[in-house]
Amino acid sequence: NAGVTQTPKFRILKIGQSMTLQCTQDMNHNYMYWYRQDPGMGLKLIYYSVGAGITDKGEVPNGYNVSRSTTEDFPLRLELAAPSQTSVYFCASRTRVRSPLHFGNGTRLTVT
Amino acid sequence: AQTVTQSQPEMSVQEAETVTLSCTYDTSESDYYLFWYKQPPSRQMILVIRQEAYKQQNATENRFSVNFQKAAKSFSLKISDSQLGDAAMYFCAYRSGTQGGSEKLVFGKGTKLTVNP
Repeated sequence: NAGVTQTPKFRILKIGQSMTLQCTQDMNHNYMYWYRQDPGMGLKLIYYSVGAGITDKGEVPNGYNVSRSTTEDFPLRLELAAPSQTSVYFCASRTRVRSPLHFGNGTRLTVT
Repeated sequence: AQTVTQSQPEMSVQEAETVTLSCTYDTSESDYYLFWYKQPPSRQMILVIRQEAYKQQNATENRFSVNFQKAAKSFSLKISDSQLGDAAMYFCAYRSGTQGGSEKLVFGKGTKLTVNP
């Protein structure tokens, strides 16, 4: 059981470039989330999804887009990368409202 | 809006000793969950323990226990018999338990725990 898998683990982008962070889970979880963790800080919610075809903004959605075409996958798209998006990105999922989150191992993104 | 405050940026403990990490939160909700997550240098987020607000009994998981004071909005983590592998960043987090409520998991800024041999 792989759990929540994120790719890539590391990435360096130039300002203005675009990329997609991949997240997939094999636990048939309905709820999926993207968080970012800035140095010395806790996690902040970027976007979340409560099921295939449904997405909603979190606390810090600007500069990002998501899609949820399947239950398993929840990619995060960065358009026109900026230095402020340098962070560690975590994908997470859970099965229902009262269940705990399962986290992926994170993607460290640097924008220079 | 809910907030979570961890007032100790860093803590240290001797191996085999006990340490308590503090967390306070602010909410107007009555149904919610509180969590402690551990983040070792590998940066993986590991759930240590969780507490449902409607449960008066403090949660325990082996060497980890919490002191949940609902009226005071306090949620401290006690680590007994500290081990070198306990060294990590520890995050306190809050989530609404209301159906249709906020999906947001609100994190504190974390406490870095060092375990001295």
